[in-house]
Amino acid sequence: SQQGEEDPQALSIQEGENATMNCSYKTSINNLQWYRQNSGRGLVHLILIRSNEREKHSGRLRVTLDTSKKSSSLLITASRAADTASYFCATDAGTDSWGKLQFGSGTQVVVTP
Amino acid sequence: GAVVSQHPSWVICKSGTSVKIECRSLDFQATTMFWYRQFPKQSLMLMATSNEGSKATYEQGVEKDKFLINHASLTLSTLTVTSAHPEDSSFYICSCGLGFGSGSRDTQYFGPGTRLTVL
Repeated sequence: SQQGEEDPQALSIQEGENATMNCSYKTSINNLQWYRQNSGRGLVHLILIRSNEREKHSGRLRVTLDTSKKSSSLLITASRAADTASYFCATDAGTDSWGKLQFGSGTQVVVTP
Repeated sequence: GAVVSQHPSWVICKSGTSVKIECRSLDFQATTMFWYRQFPKQSLMLMATSNEGSKATYEQGVEKDKFLINHASLTLSTLTVTSAHPEDSSFYICSCGLGFGSGSRDTQYFGPGTRLTVL
């Protein structure tokens, strides 16, 4: 079963705007990861944030994690047409489940020129 | 970054046949690989964990006799869909990790996926 839900399900923005998507999960985690998937392709790892971290940056990406609310957000700043893709959060519970990622439902992002 | 390949990229087969999908880590050794399936416009669902030198562990609801996994070496895992039926049509994706646990990178690298269509 899916660990989490993402919202919005779909997002359409113009180039240069920021895109924010949220992920909620249900159980305790060791880390949370964000991935991007272009249509019909494999996943590209974007960023990993551990349970003891609250915020992380990578280029135009900013991820926050609130373990008390069991939620995370991904912000893409100054979006580009090439950012058009589906974005998934995935949680790793650690311990006996190391590496077994539970994916969220995904957010489809469309960036128009 | 680490490169993971899958073969074939897509396959169309008749109902009742078996299909083998390969997942290879090209520039690193992966003691653990994971297999996921993804239906159109849906998220990825973990099917099983493939461990080199031992039996795969399957997630609840996944038939191990239906989806045979063999982790033959540190760079190759195969998923065989036996007696495939149209409901098995899906996008199958593997992933490999460089290492898991405290102090390790915990990052997984995903293959490009294999699209299976069963007629």
